[in-house]
Amino acid sequence: QKEVEQDPGPLSVPEGAIVSLNCTYSNSAFQYFMWYRQYSRKGPELLMYTYSSGNKEDGRFTAQVDKSSKYISLFIRDSQPSDSATYLCAMTEPGPKKLSFGAGTTVTVRA
Amino acid sequence: EAQVTQNPRYLITVTGKKLTVTCSQNMNHEYMSWYRQDPGLGLRQIYYSMNVEVTDKGDVPEGYKVSRKEKRNFPLILESPSPNQTSLYFCASSRTATEQETQYFGPGTRLLVL
Repeated sequence: QKEVEQDPGPLSVPEGAIVSLNCTYSNSAFQYFMWYRQYSRKGPELLMYTYSSGNKEDGRFTAQVDKSSKYISLFIRDSQPSDSATYLCAMTEPGPKKLSFGAGTTVTVRA
Repeated sequence: EAQVTQNPRYLITVTGKKLTVTCSQNMNHEYMSWYRQDPGLGLRQIYYSMNVEVTDKGDVPEGYKVSRKEKRNFPLILESPSPNQTSLYFCASSRTATEQETQYFGPGTRLLVL
């Protein structure tokens, strides 16, 4: 079983829709939770990160962490065609520990 | 501009021909690492470096070597490439090993081994 599970999609939504992405994990020691956006033929770009449980909002993006369920989510409001990309979740334990990544979900926002 | 650069961006080679992929960062970061990305498997760490002259294996180190002689550079060496090393490779850096939640990634190197 993978340490981090992420549905690869693909996910296709109309412009303006809410995009909902999620990951589940098995390691209860994870404390930092990240979302990366990766455009085709580019490197991953950090969107936002959250420490421990709770919500974090940045513009149209909201990240949620539910440690009791070992479940994290990313919501994209008012989605735009420029949001079309692969979204990767990642997480790590405190201290000098490596990141564990999900496989990524490919999202297409149709104009 | 803060960035991680990799060269080459695309590389086609043949089995057994040694190659080096360079990685450089201009942010004075201590921590650097190499990943490979394969469909359905996500990003897997190959090697990492906590600082100059300090390197260690990640999850999939077989067939790869690294060195860290200068803080800014972290080359990935494939001494005898094989077709199963065909992949998309990313170099990444963060200020320290305990700040990997703010890791910067390079643009990637797409490698095809025939």
